[in-house]
This record gives sequence, structure tokens and C-alpha cells, in this order.
Amino acid sequence: AQSVTQLGSHVSVSEGALVLLRCNYSSSVPPYLFWYVQYPNQGLQLLLKYTTGATLVKGINGFEAEFKKSETSFHLTKPSAHMSDAAEYFCAVRGNTGGGNKLTFGTGTQLKVEL
Amino acid sequence: KAGVTQTPRYLIKTRGQQVTLSCSPISGHRSVSWYQQTPGQGLQFLFEYFSETQRNKGNFPGRFSGRQFSNSRSEMNVSTLELGDSALYLCASSLGTSGVYQETQYFGPGTRLLVL
Repeated sequence: AQSVTQLGSHVSVSEGALVLLRCNYSSSVPPYLFWYVQYPNQGLQLLLKYTTGATLVKGINGFEAEFKKSETSFHLTKPSAHMSDAAEYFCAVRGNTGGGNKLTFGTGTQLKVEL
Repeated sequence: KAGVTQTPRYLIKTRGQQVTLSCSPISGHRSVSWYQQTPGQGLQFLFEYFSETQRNKGNFPGRFSGRQFSNSRSEMNVSTLELGDSALYLCASSLGTSGVYQETQYFGPGTRLLVL
């Protein structure tokens, strides 16, 4: 079984500051990891994903995440926050055996960007 | 390509009624998954359909059911609605190939269901 834990349900940063959203996973098999963003009244949009290969993954809108197996982490970062980044962010995991297309999501982190 | 579309976008029902939600996947995608999103429980997997067959199922009561048609469009049905079924229901599609575990799921805008 797989699970993810997102530390901090709400994160507030100033515009131009570093964004760091934390995600730790638990998986009995090598995981595939995803970060999605959800804007108000919209569905989920994929920011980036880790499957195999390079552990530093670059995504859309300047976001990136690093897969650290030793720390079971997949934290999302962006060097400089923009007002348009305000949204809810979800980390998700999928195992590589069984389970089909089932994604297991974390509880989400609401990002607020202040002037 | 057009994205995942879901209809209707908003729905109000009363307890005891039933409801059917529709999802049209991205052209060429054969896998459709459904998720329920609520403030209390977050995002929870309902089920996945591939080639008209349910491939995976989450931990929801039998009141929740779904199906997929030959054109990959999917519907989900909730019978005997309860207040707790009020939620945003999200549909996601993916190619559904042999490399399914690496595939990206593309989400629709959701159907917001309110049960009174």
C-alpha cells in the first residue's frame, strides 16, 4: 500500500520568496510520485512527476521537485513565488505493481502568496 | 486536443434520489478514473475503467457504481443519495497502456454535487 503525508495544510510566502511544499511518501514498492495543483473551482493540473531516472524533476511554471529515497521525500520548490501561484497543491503516489491507475493523494497544502 | 469534459458542472439533489455524472476523456485515452473530493476526506479514489471493464475499485459502498462505453466515455451513478455524498466528483483520463503506472492522469473540471 502507498500513502503520502503533506506537512502543513497552509503555507504563506511573500511574492518573490522561495516556495517549499513538503511531501513524504510511504510505499512498499518503488513509487511513482506526482504533484498536482488545483485552482479554485477547477480540476487538478499536473505540475510534474517522478517515475524513473533523474531524481530532480522540473515541471511547469518554474516548479521542481527532488526525489530522495533515503528521506522518502518529494518536496516541491519554486525559487520565486508569484501571486498566480496561490492555489492548493497535492502530492500523490502510485505504486508500480497492481493498483492500476489509482492515485493516492495527500491532504493538500493551500499556498498563499502575499505582497 | 480537447481536454477531459464533465457534465453537468453543478447539480443539486435531495436525499434518497439518484444521480448520474458523465465524463468524456481526451481523444485516444482508454482509461477513465473517478475521484471524490470533500473537505473532510480529501481526494479519494472511486474506481477506474479500461476498455469497458472496471479495473480497480476504491473503498466506497455499492451505491456508487460506474460504467464505460465503447467510445471510452464513462458515467458514474450514485443511488439513494446521502448528505455526505455532497462533493466535487473528478474524472481523470489516461492512455491506459502497458506502462500505466507511469502515465499522467488528466483531470476534468469536476461536477459539484450538493445533496440537500
